Amino acid sequence: EVQLVESGGGLVQPGGSLRLSCAASGFTFSSYWMSWVRQAPGKGLEWVANVNLDESGKRYVDSVKGRFTISRDNVKNSLYLQMDSLTAEDTALYYCVRGIGAPGAGGDWGQGTLVTVSS
Amino acid sequence: DIQMTQSPSSLSASVGDRVTITCRASQGIRNDLGWFQQKPGKAPKRLIYAASSLQSGVPSRFSGSGSGTEFTLTISSLQPEDFATYYCLQHNSYPLTFGGGTKVEIK
Repeated sequence: EVQLVESGGGLVQPGGSLRLSCAASGFTFSSYWMSWVRQAPGKGLEWVANVNLDESGKRYVDSVKGRFTISRDNVKNSLYLQMDSLTAEDTALYYCVRGIGAPGAGGDWGQGTLVTVSS
Repeated sequence: DIQMTQSPSSLSASVGDRVTITCRASQGIRNDLGWFQQKPGKAPKRLIYAASSLQSGVPSRFSGSGSGTEFTLTISSLQPEDFATYYCLQHNSYPLTFGGGTKVEIK
């Protein structure tokens, strides 16, 4: 069974940093592109970042470029999101997603970890 | 950026109704589109990939169609468990973009 378990969320002050983690199991992690998607309270879904199989390709939504860094560890079967210079607009539930556009197996989401940016 | 215009933003329907949701892309995206269902307090679940392929385990009353700029998600006979919010996602080019969502409510 595919499992994606996010952690690392919490309350942080504006300008602060957080590192989110996503522990993957039940599939060959190194075979899938991985993504972070967020959802602000009561709002729709927003794609945040993608990483390819070997980290040679990373892409971000403009609003987080230069502040967020996506990474992965194919030995530890884990995905990460380093979030710096946080603002209130980053407050959201952050989801880890396997192969968001992959045909067939893929499109699986974790349950999310909540990030709240507030003073 | 490719804009995904989803309509309607909400609809009321009865059990057994046929429901159609549309996503329009601001430029051609071939068939690089997925449909997701989200129930309150839950993570989204992919229903359709590559515009028209049914995700394994998803009931056959769900179907997707379209290519290029116009896409539809159809629920052939709405069931009580289908009341949820539905999103389309284009993954043809970066940034990946979601539609605004369609909330399907009970009439």
